Amino acid sequence: AQKVTQAQTEISVVEKEDVTLDCVYETRDTTYYLFWYKQPPSGELVFLIRRNSFDEQNEISGRYSWNFQKSTSSFNFTITASQVVDSAVYFCALSEARRGSYIPTFGRGTSLIVHP
Amino acid sequence: NAGVTQTPKFQVLKTGQSMTLQCAQDMNHEYMSWYRQDPGMGLRLIHYSVGAGITDQGEVPNGYNVSRSTTEDFPLRLLSAAPSQTSVYFCASKRGLEGNEQFFGPGTRLTVL
Repeated sequence: AQKVTQAQTEISVVEKEDVTLDCVYETRDTTYYLFWYKQPPSGELVFLIRRNSFDEQNEISGRYSWNFQKSTSSFNFTITASQVVDSAVYFCALSEARRGSYIPTFGRGTSLIVHP
Repeated sequence: NAGVTQTPKFQVLKTGQSMTLQCAQDMNHEYMSWYRQDPGMGLRLIHYSVGAGITDQGEVPNGYNVSRSTTEDFPLRLLSAAPSQTSVYFCASKRGLEGNEQFFGPGTRLTVL
């Protein structure tokens, strides 16, 4: 079973639409960390946000916002008023105590295409 | 700082050939890891290291060897390349504190014929 599930393989929107990328995780640990990374067409991986399991506050950064809900084991990512530059593959990741290392496990990614 | 560097950027191998993918970081990070990225599969962890002299297996370690003789370097060795190892390989590093994010290299695109 996947530890991080990103059920949306690909999402296509028109510029200025709002879009939410879903992430569901599975862990038995009480201490863990969740991340979102962006991979634009150029291929590099860019860190967006980190959230620890003890902090369920939502976070907003410009047009980006994240909703962390432990009750549903979800860490969803919303882009408001999407732009063409938001087109990328977005990965959600979970970091647990893997033999003490906290090296992240990634979901399969959601490809977001924003049309002008 | 150069961050995390990987060489080569592209490589084509024939089945059965061996090669080493190089990874280096100049941030004095304790943890380093190797992932492979395949279409529809996300990033899968191959091997990781929590410090010089210490390595461990990830989700898909078969066919790959690693060693960590210095803090800076974490090479990935393919002893006998197979077409199933055609992929994009990313190296990453992070500070040892549990919640820190990883910094990724630019990736190596490997094709095995």
